[in-house]
Amino acid sequence: KAGVTQTPRYLIKTRGQQVTLSCSPISGHRSVSWYQQTPGQGLQFLFEYFSETQRNKGNFPGRFSGRQFSNSRSEMNVSTLELGDSALYLCASSLAGPSAGAQYFGPGTRLTVT
Amino acid sequence: TQLLEQSPQFLSIQEGENLTVYCNSSSVFSSLQWYRQEPGEGPVLLVTVVTGGEVKKLKRLTFQFGDARKDSSLHITAAQPGDTGLYLCAGAPSYSNYQLIWGAGTKLIIKP
Repeated sequence: KAGVTQTPRYLIKTRGQQVTLSCSPISGHRSVSWYQQTPGQGLQFLFEYFSETQRNKGNFPGRFSGRQFSNSRSEMNVSTLELGDSALYLCASSLAGPSAGAQYFGPGTRLTVT
Repeated sequence: TQLLEQSPQFLSIQEGENLTVYCNSSSVFSSLQWYRQEPGEGPVLLVTVVTGGEVKKLKRLTFQFGDARKDSSLHITAAQPGDTGLYLCAGAPSYSNYQLIWGAGTKLIIKP
């Protein structure tokens, strides 16, 4: 069974631009969670989707948004990029939700904002 | 808001030594997960503990969930260079089934 894939793996953008990141979950998994990881900060929860519905959202500004498609693939979008948005963005998939069972992470997208 | 404090933040020891990483909170969690993350990769789930007082062993790694389900520890016996990585704990909060609360991580380096 293929693991969680994220594209692109690396991205360089300039301030003010917008970016879209993609996540393909493990086949059969309907829950996708997104996280931002910066050095020393651990994982900061962005949002979680299940069957195309956002069930929970973390404490991030409205510039961060996401969606999930009928095939469970998910995208997250960051508009008007700021330098502080530079981070590793991780997505994780699970059958029913992040606290309901095993969560499997993708390798992440490394975003650098200059 | 529930928080998870992880300690130590950084640990560098020699191969063969033992170590313990702690994950503490003032709040109760319904379950707690431990992950290991290596550079350039996403975290990988090591174990989930659910019952207060539960102890789980994974080869040289021993995980314990506190009786009150507010804290957890990871003990590594005879550490090896392959244990090097970032160890993260994550708890399922009482107010949501749809997110985890994460510790900031313990960066572990095992020197040969």
